[in-house]
Amino acid sequence: DAGVIQSPRHEVTEMGQEVTLRCKPISGHDYLFWYRQTMMRGLELLIYFNNNVPIDDSGMPEDRFSAKMPNASFSTLKIQPSEPRDSAVYFCASTGGNTQYFGPGTRLTVL
Amino acid sequence: AQKITQTQPGMFVQEKEAVTLDCTYDTSDPSYGLFWYKQPSSGEMIFLIYQGSYDQQNATEGRYSLNFQKARKSANLVISASQLGDSAMYFCAMRGSNAGGTSYGKLTFGQGTILTVHP
Repeated sequence: DAGVIQSPRHEVTEMGQEVTLRCKPISGHDYLFWYRQTMMRGLELLIYFNNNVPIDDSGMPEDRFSAKMPNASFSTLKIQPSEPRDSAVYFCASTGGNTQYFGPGTRLTVL
Repeated sequence: AQKITQTQPGMFVQEKEAVTLDCTYDTSDPSYGLFWYKQPSSGEMIFLIYQGSYDQQNATEGRYSLNFQKARKSANLVISASQLGDSAMYFCAMRGSNAGGTSYGKLTFGQGTILTVHP
């Protein structure tokens, strides 16, 4: 299995631009998670889905953030408009059974 | 609510020696799972080991073992025969379940411990 796939791996954008992060979970996994990691705040859960349905989005920082999972093999996290404080590494993870596997992350820099 | 506490911001160990990374947790869930992840400087999050709260034996995966003490609510990671490649950030995490054993899905993470292995 290829593992959790995220794209792009690196994204540099300017404040005010729309950013879309993409994730393909491991086939057969029924949970998908979006995390954000910064030095100051550590690892934060933004939102997670079960069987493509959003279960808990209480970690989404603002209305500028939105996430979708149109099918079992694809999810997006969108930031519109982006701000410098959104700069972080964004991880997608999926769970099958007892184990949660992380993607390689997207390093986002907002100038 | 669930809480994970890792009290060691940083740990040092000599190559080939064993090291224990501490993790304590707090939860009211009737069952739960405990996890350890490794994050090297390259940034990826690597799953290491899992322990279920009702597992009778401590989990082991190669050089990694989880010292699970349920009464003390601790789930320490033991790395035997440390290698230079073990230098990384290590995260402890837990996932709760309801009384029916259905997982809540999401993990709660600790703040992490930076392990440095000296040659």
